This record gives sequence, C-alpha cells and structure tokens, in this order.
Amino acid sequence: GIQVEQSPPDLILQEGANSTLRCNFSDSVNNLQWFHQNPWGQLINLFYIPSGTKQNGRLSATTVATERYSLLYISSSQTTDSGVYFCAVEGDYKLSFGAGTTVTVRA
Amino acid sequence: GAVVSQHPSRVICKSGTSVKIECRSLDFQATTMFWYRQFPKQSLMLMATSNEGSKATYEQGVEKDKFLINHASLTLSTLTVTSAHPEDSSFYICSAWVAAGDSDTQYFGPGTRLTVL
Repeated sequence: GIQVEQSPPDLILQEGANSTLRCNFSDSVNNLQWFHQNPWGQLINLFYIPSGTKQNGRLSATTVATERYSLLYISSSQTTDSGVYFCAVEGDYKLSFGAGTTVTVRA
Repeated sequence: GAVVSQHPSRVICKSGTSVKIECRSLDFQATTMFWYRQFPKQSLMLMATSNEGSKATYEQGVEKDKFLINHASLTLSTLTVTSAHPEDSSFYICSAWVAAGDSDTQYFGPGTRLTVL
C-alpha cells in the first residue's frame, strides 16, 4: 500500500507563531486529506487537496503531486490549534494515514 | 458538512462480554463505511470496510469472528467486539465517503472509547 510519512512528529509553538507540517507519500494519489484530531478524539476535516493550494482562515495547504508531498501551514497559531494533525491519502478506495504531527500551542 | 455519529461514546465492560458500537450517517446515505482502531498516541489503523447488504472486508490481521460488522441499511453500520478482553481496549472510529463531484471526502464519527476490565 501507499506509505505516508509526516514530519515533524512533535511541534511546540508559542501562541502567535507560524508553522509548517509536511506529508510525503510514496505513490501518486487521487485524494489527499488533512485532518485535525482534537483532544476528545474527533477528526475534523481541514482540506481535501490532491493538488494545488487552498486556504481556510489561518490554515492553508499545498500539495505538489508530481513530487509527492503536501504541506500544511498554520499561521498566527492559537491554543485551540493544539492537537494531532493527520495527512491521509487514498488508495483502493481506502485512506492510509500518516503517523501524525502533535502540535502544542502554549499561551 | 456531512455528519457521522457513533454510539456509545464511551463504554466500560467486563472481560468476556460483547460490546456493540453503532455508526450512523445522519444526513447522507453511505453504501460503504469504514472502521478504524486507534491506540493511544498512535495513528488510525483501518480494520475493515463495511458494505451495505454484503459481507465486510477485513484488513490483514483483523479477526472477523472477533470483530463482527453488520451494515444493514444505508445509514447504519455496527461493530460488535465479541468476548472482549483487555487487549481490545482502544478508541474505535467509523467513517464514510461523501461524494462531492470530483472531490470525494471521508468524514469521521466522534469515536467510541472501549475499556475492557
């Protein structure tokens, strides 16, 4: 199956800082999604982004499909941004998840 | 966006008992749903694909007799953990694809935390 690697595994930020999370994948994909898992375990859909760039408020994402990576940008981070960010790619109608990046934003 | 619900959100049971977890798509129909398992500080691992009106497809290493899946309608899939043991304690999450033109997106339920004593 498709291998998904995320980096860094952990990120500690001061409130207001910007950060970049990376997702590398081993094969071409038709579907790539970014999720935020909140402290209660709920996965929140952030972006559907198999290619190109999208922005939603303080978050934006870019996927370069030809080079098999995606980036998630968090700007002006807030404590509510804390949690685990997962990248997932589709193969055979199923999603394969990376190990996640745990983000901690300190006030 | 689409809403997927799960019930119960948390369950504690004694070793040897069976536990049923429900997954519902509230505002859309889902011919296919997925069941994941997540251990603390780990990623989601796909257990099985639930197909409405037919047998579930299990991932390698997942015991189908241990984790019974039933997808009886277009809005409901159930996962039954049979004869649960402490090693089955985990966070179980279901999901479903929502078609939106050429951007199919998978939506997740809030999860069920199972503790087996």
